[in-house]
Amino acid sequence: QKEVEQNSGPLSVPEGAIASLNCTYSDRGSQSFFWYRQYSGKSPELIMFIYSNGDKEDGRFTAQLNKASQYVSLLIRDSQPSDSATYLCAVDSSNTGKLIFGQGTTLQVKP
Amino acid sequence: EAGVAQSPRYKIIEKRQSVAFWCNPISGHATLYWYQQILGQGPKLLIQFQNNGVVDDSQLPKDRFSAERLKGVDSTLKIQPAKLEDSAVYLCASSLERSSWQNYGYTFGSGTRLTVV
Repeated sequence: QKEVEQNSGPLSVPEGAIASLNCTYSDRGSQSFFWYRQYSGKSPELIMFIYSNGDKEDGRFTAQLNKASQYVSLLIRDSQPSDSATYLCAVDSSNTGKLIFGQGTTLQVKP
Repeated sequence: EAGVAQSPRYKIIEKRQSVAFWCNPISGHATLYWYQQILGQGPKLLIQFQNNGVVDDSQLPKDRFSAERLKGVDSTLKIQPAKLEDSAVYLCASSLERSSWQNYGYTFGSGTRLTVV
């Protein structure tokens, strides 16, 4: 079983819709969770982090964490074509400071 | 604040040749990481430094890869000899001391794209 799993996609949504990206992880000792955005040919860029169960909102982005289900998600409201990228879920491996990344989900927002 | 600097941006070498990548982290960042990202995959940690000491190199293929961080600032990752499967983007990242890193996560450099032919 992979430590961090994401559906590779592509996930295609129309402009203005809500995009929902999902991630599961295997290490129950993980305490910190991150979402990175990576445009083609660029390096990953941190967009959200979450530590506590529940929702965390930042602008059009909402991260959701359910530690009991070992599940993290990212919602992007009012999706824009500029949101088209690969979204990487990352988990702090047993609170060591090392981030373990999923394979990423490719999001396509169609005008 | 200057970001994480990496060089070169691109490198093409033949298999069995050697190559080195350089990284300069954000000033004051004690922790430095090297990741390998193969096309279509997420980044995979190769090595983690805290100041000039190695914290974790369990995923570093030590028969061909080596890394050092002299004086706790710049770092160099070397591959010798390179194989075709080493073709990837090599990303350097840095963060503050681990006690406070959770507020910031990692900041990645622009990466070095290596092609082994």
